[in-house]
Amino acid sequence: AQRVTQPEKLLSVFKGAPVELKCNYSYSGSPELFWYVQYSRQRLQLLLRHISRESIKGFTADLNKGETSFHLKKPFAQEEDSAMYYCALSGIQGAQKLVFGQGTRLTINP
Amino acid sequence: DTEVTQTPKHLVMGMTNKKSLKCEQHMGHRAMYWYKQKAKKPPELMFVYSYEKLSINESVPSRFSPECPNSSLLNLHLHALQPEDSALYLCASSHAGTGYEQYFGPGTRLTVT
Repeated sequence: AQRVTQPEKLLSVFKGAPVELKCNYSYSGSPELFWYVQYSRQRLQLLLRHISRESIKGFTADLNKGETSFHLKKPFAQEEDSAMYYCALSGIQGAQKLVFGQGTRLTINP
Repeated sequence: DTEVTQTPKHLVMGMTNKKSLKCEQHMGHRAMYWYKQKAKKPPELMFVYSYEKLSINESVPSRFSPECPNSSLLNLHLHALQPEDSALYLCASSHAGTGYEQYFGPGTRLTVT
């Protein structure tokens, strides 16, 4: 079964501090992992995906298959990073089933 | 046009009503999705259409009936809903296949009285 765990419901850091949002997954095959973000009064949107290995808005995430993790990191948080972040997993070959974690609400304090 | 649109934005319906939610995209995507999102919870997949055919039904009750009349449109027909069906219903689209970004609509806020 596919499962995504985000252990922190809420995370609060000060502006300029490093941020790490944790994500662990359970899947027996080769997973495809994503981070989606929802800013206040905006629709859910893709932040980044592991296959592209991009850095978006200063965020990066590395897939660690040994630890089954896909943590999201940013070295210096900005106030506009305040949002709801969802880690998501797609693993079934040929299907598009996306399973979301419970989400982490990130608040950046000035 | 790079947006998924959903109508209506809000819907209030009684348990005996029949209503429909609509979703539209013009990005050439051949996969479309319905999700249900309860307050303070993540989206939960309901249905997936791939090339206008239903490919995934996550054991959704039959009072929810999806329809994909063409590659740009996705409907969700509602009948005899229960109060616990009140939620935000999200539509999304993507290229068909795995690993593609899903583009989400703003959702329809449904209240069942």
